[in-house]
Amino acid sequence: ILNVEQSPQSLHVQEGDSTNFTCSFPSSNFYALHWYRWETAKSPEALFVMTLNGDEKKKGRISATLNTKEGYSYLYIKGSQPEDSATYLCAFNAGGTSYGKLTFGQGTILTVHP
Amino acid sequence: NAGVMQNPRHLVRRRGQEARLRCSPMKGHSHVYWYRQLPEEGLKFMVYLQKENIIDESGMPKERFSAEFPKEGPSILRIQQVVRGDSAAYFCASSPRTSGALGKNIQYFGAGTRLSVL
Repeated sequence: ILNVEQSPQSLHVQEGDSTNFTCSFPSSNFYALHWYRWETAKSPEALFVMTLNGDEKKKGRISATLNTKEGYSYLYIKGSQPEDSATYLCAFNAGGTSYGKLTFGQGTILTVHP
Repeated sequence: NAGVMQNPRHLVRRRGQEARLRCSPMKGHSHVYWYRQLPEEGLKFMVYLQKENIIDESGMPKERFSAEFPKEGPSILRIQQVVRGDSAAYFCASSPRTSGALGKNIQYFGAGTRLSVL
């Protein structure tokens, strides 16, 4: 059974703060790591797909790094805004015969206070 | 380009009835995935299908659940003889057909169907 852990479970920050959270995943059989942003009552929205050790991806104020050898990824948000409030999910793909399957973490719930 | 469409958005069934959940993938996408979110839990993989084929159903309960993705029409997740424990949000996602590297493709999610079993 694959274990994908996210921390913290929830986070409250003030507008303008920068923040980061962690996704831990198995370091063996790594194929890809996905980050999603999920606003209440909407569909999960893909942020990044990361595949190579040392990968860094950026989209506006959001960026992510990947360490496949030790099995973790960080998501960073610079200068948080209230509209960044959402649940941030990471999902692990082990490839091989499971190449269509994403194993999700429980998510980090981010609340940005004005 | 319309996104992944799921219907109905909300479905209420009594114990013992059947539930049919529909998913129309994004245009040009030939891979469909179903995930379930039980109350207070995260998204859990159920099944992965390509047109007319089930590729991976390792997350599907062994009984009462089935899925199909016919050559024409939407993908259907069917739950027979529903029980209260089936109450959950069911999400569908789709991705395009590419040669290899499928696990690196973004999966585009629908808004989900919330099933309530009375």
